[in-house]
Amino acid sequence: GAGVSQSPRYKVTKRGQDVALRCDPISGHVSLYWYRQALGQGPEFLTYFNYEAQQDKSGLPNDRFSAERPEGSISTLTIQRTEQRDSAMYRCASSLGTGFEQYFGPGTRLTVT
Amino acid sequence: AQKVTQAQTEISVVEKEDVTLDCVYETRDTTYYLFWYKQPPSGELVFLIRRNSFDEQNEISGRYSWNFQKSTSSFNFTITASQVVDSAVYFCALTKRSGNTGKLIFGQGTTLQVKP
Repeated sequence: GAGVSQSPRYKVTKRGQDVALRCDPISGHVSLYWYRQALGQGPEFLTYFNYEAQQDKSGLPNDRFSAERPEGSISTLTIQRTEQRDSAMYRCASSLGTGFEQYFGPGTRLTVT
Repeated sequence: AQKVTQAQTEISVVEKEDVTLDCVYETRDTTYYLFWYKQPPSGELVFLIRRNSFDEQNEISGRYSWNFQKSTSSFNFTITASQVVDSAVYFCALTKRSGNTGKLIFGQGTTLQVKP
């Protein structure tokens, strides 16, 4: 079946602009996660949804970052007033539930100029 | 707090050699899951294995094997008869088994280069 998909795959934006990154999880997966991965580092947790409920947002760096999953399927990660330090690979993952293996999407490479 | 340490930053081997990637973790939870992921040069993250903290049996899958030792908080990964296609960054990760979060705590990764 289809894996996790993310769009856009690449996004270049100017500092101060808002960006929205989309994630479409594997069908039937109730848990959805957002991570950020800097070059040469492991992925770093941002936030977690169980169905439509955002149950953990402890990894969001500041209030410029927000995420939603209104119908328990597709999720959007929004970064407002982007800064150069926001440049990274943003990865989405989904799983059957908490503790199950997470399947990752291809990521969105965000570059803030 | 939870932490995963992969002390080997880079390993280089010649094809057909065996290689072991080390993973040491810290957690106060009594129940947890451990994972290994592979990130080839193409960039995607590929799931390899999940291990429940209750299950200390070693696992073998083809040329891959995993050694979980709770006593030393280690979950090491061995590739037997390595191949060039095994060249990748390998990440070890940890998550709680309970609670309202499934967040994975990743190590820094080990870059494996297999030369022909």
